[in-house]
Amino acid sequence: DSGVTQTPKHLITATGQRVTLRCSPRSGDLSVYWYQQSLDQGLQFLIHYYNGEERAKGNILERFSAQQFPDLHSELNLSSLELGDSALYFCASSVGSSGGQYSYEQYFGPGTRLTVT
Amino acid sequence: LAKTTQPISMDSYEGQEVNITCSHNNIATNDYITWYQQFPSQGPRFIIQGYKTKVTNEVASLFIPADRKSSTLSLPRVSLSDTAVYYCLVGDREDNFNKFYFGSGTKLNVKP
Repeated sequence: DSGVTQTPKHLITATGQRVTLRCSPRSGDLSVYWYQQSLDQGLQFLIHYYNGEERAKGNILERFSAQQFPDLHSELNLSSLELGDSALYFCASSVGSSGGQYSYEQYFGPGTRLTVT
Repeated sequence: LAKTTQPISMDSYEGQEVNITCSHNNIATNDYITWYQQFPSQGPRFIIQGYKTKVTNEVASLFIPADRKSSTLSLPRVSLSDTAVYYCLVGDREDNFNKFYFGSGTKLNVKP
């Protein structure tokens, strides 16, 4: 158990709909990352939040957005869903970095499997 | 632009030592090299991290040459349960090290 929780575990929805995925980081971790993993594909970095502020965006579609709340949990919002958005969505957390040398030890949640029909 | 390059797949037999090499020619001075293991439908799990020379823990060893343009993950005496995808990870210096690229990973298949 990594200490990172994600809800829901599974989500089935129709094209055009909007869904929200939720992530609670490990206690004490300030950084939250979101990744997308389609079938037989590697992990695609979507977005990184550190202590409530957006730090970096990866290959995140404009239809997708995220936020990190004061209690450090994060939500990933996916709208106008398309069939191609079906994937595993992982959240990861880490202590984060504020300068100097960087440690990239991230702890991943179990993922949310999204199926768009 | 790929940040890391790894073999797509490798086969091994139980009890053998497995070495997976990752190329990261554009690694930045402050970057650490981190390896993760992922089983199907599970989130990746941290294995080991290093900056230079050699790092060893209870699971694996990580060898990093002086130029740091590559690294090798060494798994001693693998078992069937080590069958997984292994990712090599370095930071993205173009965006203040806040983006992370996992690359395509290496699918290790351990046979009995």
